[in-house]
Amino acid sequence: EDQVTQSPEALRLQEGESSSLNCSYTVSGLRGLFWYRQDPGKGPEFLFTLYSAGEEKEKERLKATLTKKESFLHITAPKPEDSATYLCAVQGATNKLIFGTGTLLAVQP
Amino acid sequence: DTGVSQDPRHKITKRGQNVTFRCDPISEHNRLYWYRQTLGQGPEFLTYFQNEAQLEKSRLLSDRFSAERPKGSFSTLEIQRTEQGDSAMYLCASSNAGAGDGGYTFGSGTRLTVV
Repeated sequence: EDQVTQSPEALRLQEGESSSLNCSYTVSGLRGLFWYRQDPGKGPEFLFTLYSAGEEKEKERLKATLTKKESFLHITAPKPEDSATYLCAVQGATNKLIFGTGTLLAVQP
Repeated sequence: DTGVSQDPRHKITKRGQNVTFRCDPISEHNRLYWYRQTLGQGPEFLTYFQNEAQLEKSRLLSDRFSAERPKGSFSTLEIQRTEQGDSAMYLCASSNAGAGDGGYTFGSGTRLTVV
């Protein structure tokens, strides 16, 4: 069964303190690994899709990387506006996304 | 196009009542998905449509839940005889086949509270 595990559950950073979020997965036939950002009371907002081991994508202070077993979301010099829940999801042989439980990030000024 | 729209944003209902939610996807997207999310959890897949055909339903979707997409455009999700355990955020998303670099585009959700 396809499964996604995210760690840590919660992370508190000082503004400018870089860190990484982890997403471990097991999936039959990975078709894509997705990162989303979710603000309280809103739907998830798409960030990145990664398709194969070794792939990397960047957007502003965020960089996502992928191996055969896990993905990392690196946050460089975060700002308070980066505070949100970050969700990881995989798409396997079926068309649905399987989500992890997310990492709640709080960036303090 | 302003994205995926969901209506209502909030719904409070008494246990045992029926409720219906609506989702308007991005117009050029042929796939539409329903997810449910409870506090502190990631979204859980419920069902999805390609055009008007419902192609997959989760085991989570009891016979009290029904979804339709009659003309391959908007979709409705109905919950009959609501229970307190149905309280959650119901999210709709749309995509073109394969999701691709755009991922799924989610709406802002309908928050259901069953009292």
